[in-house]
Amino acid sequence: DAGITQSPRHKVTETGTPVTLRCHQTENHRYMYWYRQDPGHGLRLIHYSYGVKDTDKGEVSDGYSVSRSKTEDFLLTLESATSSQTSVYFCAISPGTGVSSYNEQFFGPGTRLTVL
Amino acid sequence: DAKTTQPTSMDCAEGRAANLPCNHSTISGNEYVYWYRQIHSQGPQYIIHGLKNNETNEMASLIITEDRKSSTLILPHATLRDTAVYYCIVRVDGSGSARQLTFGSGTQLTVLP
Repeated sequence: DAGITQSPRHKVTETGTPVTLRCHQTENHRYMYWYRQDPGHGLRLIHYSYGVKDTDKGEVSDGYSVSRSKTEDFLLTLESATSSQTSVYFCAISPGTGVSSYNEQFFGPGTRLTVL
Repeated sequence: DAKTTQPTSMDCAEGRAANLPCNHSTISGNEYVYWYRQIHSQGPQYIIHGLKNNETNEMASLIITEDRKSSTLILPHATLRDTAVYYCIVRVDGSGSARQLTFGSGTQLTVLP
């Protein structure tokens, strides 16, 4: 399995609290992604990164920010958590070179976030 | 991305081959067929992909019809651990901006003991 870890794995927080989720990879892959998964919506891309300090928005980026200061770490921050951000968050990585560079994505175990 | 159609659910006996179909009749010449699966409460897992030739790896085989309008994912000897939702995705590969993978509803495969 690709070396991807996410922390924390579970978190319960209150509305208005800042929250940071961490994704760490040991594969030296160029691309990193944050998705959220909700019943009835499938997986939706929040933000992605195509290199250190290079990030871009995905489909559902409002209320989220990201940072990537090192190749191996991609942080997702909820500046002021809301109940609508209760979800399961998945990090993914892809090589970014060669065939299948973007579409062969390897996913982390997920973080279950509950905002009360 | 081309639209895909998969059955909602399928059952398979443990030890038998599981054949999961996918229709993608609007596929373009430069679009690949990808298969992922998601076991309950886990992240999606890449299985295999192909363009027009049949492909095989340690997990599965992918059979793409000659007209490329449909494909079949084959798990040769299904085990209980293969119970998952299987997603067929059609995407352009190679250059271009990274975009999200769009997972449709997929097929819930249940492997029965």
